Amino acid sequence: GAVVSQHPSRVICKSGTSVKIECRSLDFQATTMFWYRQFPKQSLMLMATSNEGSKATYEQGVEKDKFLINHASLTLSTLTVTSAHPEDSSFYICSAIVGVLNTEAFFGQGTRLTVV
Amino acid sequence: AQTVTQSQPEMSVQEAETVTLSCTYDTSESDYYLFWYKQPPSRQMILVIRQEAYKQQNATENRFSVNFQKAAKSFSLKISDSQLGDAAMYFCAYRIYGGATNKLIFGTGTLLAVQP
Repeated sequence: GAVVSQHPSRVICKSGTSVKIECRSLDFQATTMFWYRQFPKQSLMLMATSNEGSKATYEQGVEKDKFLINHASLTLSTLTVTSAHPEDSSFYICSAIVGVLNTEAFFGQGTRLTVV
Repeated sequence: AQTVTQSQPEMSVQEAETVTLSCTYDTSESDYYLFWYKQPPSRQMILVIRQEAYKQQNATENRFSVNFQKAAKSFSLKISDSQLGDAAMYFCAYRIYGGATNKLIFGTGTLLAVQP
């Protein structure tokens, strides 16, 4: 199956700094990528949908200036958490889809972000 | 707005027995896809089964099958001959695409325990 690589798997940063999470599709071109946030023992909350070459569409309540998403190529999307605070600590997961009509989404391994 | 609801936060099943996980969703769309994903402790999302809304026939994948009731907006997962490796968090998910909308939304999740 298709592989989505997410990096880093774990990151600890200080309050006020920014951290970037990368999501790469290794063997296919991802026209769409989804970014999720997951709290312990809870569901995946969709943060935004990004299409290659266009601006991301953010879900209601997600601060676009706080969570910057860039989908610059068909194999790479990045999520940058700017001016991180302890409440941003969470598990972040990316997912990629080939084409608009393709049904299956492939997931990265997730990134555990801890802000101290 | 599209929502996905899983009314069973936790379920338990004996090894080799059958268990059914419930999922309901709310949508005004006629074309969409439904999925069940499994998330083991590693937190890597694994696709279990998918169902196209336009298909009346229920999807089946080995020990996993669904009961798709489109009019009732219900999409339950049946796991037959449960195995210890089936223990995980299970998420029902809904995908809509078309026009400016392209989303993959997850339900609240059901934690499945398999007793030996």
